[in-house]
Amino acid sequence: SYDLTQPPSVSVSPGQTAIITCSGDKLGTKFACWYRQKPGQSPVLVISQNTKRPSGIPERFSGSNSGDTATLTISGTQPMDEADYYCQTWDGSTGVFGGGTKLSVL
Amino acid sequence: QVQLVQSGSELKKPGASVKISCKASGYTFTSYPMNWVRQAPGQGLEWVGWLNTNTGNPTYAQAFTGRFVMSLDPSVSTAFLQINSLKAEDTAIYYCARIVMVGFDSWGQGTRVTVSA
Repeated sequence: SYDLTQPPSVSVSPGQTAIITCSGDKLGTKFACWYRQKPGQSPVLVISQNTKRPSGIPERFSGSNSGDTATLTISGTQPMDEADYYCQTWDGSTGVFGGGTKLSVL
Repeated sequence: QVQLVQSGSELKKPGASVKISCKASGYTFTSYPMNWVRQAPGQGLEWVGWLNTNTGNPTYAQAFTGRFVMSLDPSVSTAFLQINSLKAEDTAIYYCARIVMVGFDSWGQGTRVTVSA
């Protein structure tokens, strides 16, 4: 089975840039998506198809995907960005999620 | 606007079955596949499978073959997830989510299933 690996936690100061990575074998040959989940809420798509921001997602969210690593970058991180973030891809017709990264904005 | 509204919380005994529903509105139900995602307490997201809403053909993650059954009723724009022979480890929140291109762009509010004797 295909696995995606994320760091369990990332900490950032308000206003700084947060970088969350997602690693998988030849992940750059697949599409990666990113989801934000706040406590008690359903996940929300923040990046689709490696780099696309859905309507309503702030410009400070951006994504990239190359080699074995997809990256979610949050520029000018705000306290409201504190949440769990999950990467996701497709291995053929099978969906795969990363284990999730808890972003703390301290 | 797109909405996915799921059925309410369920409390079941081990060995029982449960059927969760996900009613879609705001778009043409058969135009987009529907997925199911599980989240155990304090854990991450697990992909259960997806349903071709045109043909009803399901695809399951390896860990969810056998006891998990996805189905749909296009006449009422509703997808279902049935879990048979429930185990304690099935205790989780189950989400339905629509796929657009490769991403899950809309999610239901989640259905909490608790399995306890």
